[in-house]
Amino acid sequence: ILNVEQSPQSLHVQEGDSTNFTCSFPSSNFYALHWYRWETAKSPEALFVMTLNGDEKKKGRISATLNTKEGYSYLYIKGSQPEDSATYLCAFSVSSSGSARQLTFGSGTQLTVLP
Amino acid sequence: GAVVSQHPSRVICKSGTSVKIECRSLDFQATTMFWYRQFPKQSLMLMATSNEGSKATYEQGVEKDKFLINHASLTLSTLTVTSAHPEDSSFYICSASPQGLLYEQYFGPGTRLTVT
Repeated sequence: ILNVEQSPQSLHVQEGDSTNFTCSFPSSNFYALHWYRWETAKSPEALFVMTLNGDEKKKGRISATLNTKEGYSYLYIKGSQPEDSATYLCAFSVSSSGSARQLTFGSGTQLTVLP
Repeated sequence: GAVVSQHPSRVICKSGTSVKIECRSLDFQATTMFWYRQFPKQSLMLMATSNEGSKATYEQGVEKDKFLINHASLTLSTLTVTSAHPEDSSFYICSASPQGLLYEQYFGPGTRLTVT
C-alpha cells in the first residue's frame, strides 16, 4: 500500500503571511510528484510536476521543492492572498510495471487566507 | 487549454437504478483517462484506468461489473454505476492525460452522486 501524507490537514493564515505545507511519500520506485490546487466546485488545477531530486519549481508566489531520497516535498506560498484559499493536493506516481501515470493522492491541506 | 468537462455535476437517483457519468477532454486527445472516487474527508482513490479502445483496468476492490467504464474515443470516457445503492453515494472525478505527455493529468470538476 502506497501512502501519501500531507500536513497540516488545514490551516488558517492572515493575508500577507507566508506559509508552507508538507507532502511525504514512499521514496522507492519514485517517478513523479504532482501538486494540485483545488477550489470548491472547480476542477483541481495542476500547479507543478516534479521528477528529479532537488527540483525546485516556481509559479508566481507559489513554489515547491522535492527530495526523492527522503520522500518529501514542500509547497510554499509567499504573501498569501484570500484567493489562495483552496485545498492543496499532492500526488505521486511510481515506476512500476503498471502505468507510470497512476497517481496516489494525499488527503490535502485546506488553506484559508483571512483578509 | 487542457480542459476536462464532466457531466452531470450532481445527480440523485433511486436505489437500483443506473447512472452514467461522462468525462470529456475538450481541447486535447486523451489516450488514457482515470476515474477516482472520494469519500468524505478522504483522499481521491483511483478506481480504474481507461485506455481508448481497450478494456479498463480496475483497482483492487473495485467491482468491474458494478462500475462499467467505456472509453470509445480519444475525447470521451463514461462511467456507469449499475444498480446503484446508497453506499455508492460519493464524489466521482475523472482525469485525462494528453497523448504523449506522460507526466500530465487534467481533472474534470467531479460528479456528486447521491443514491436514495
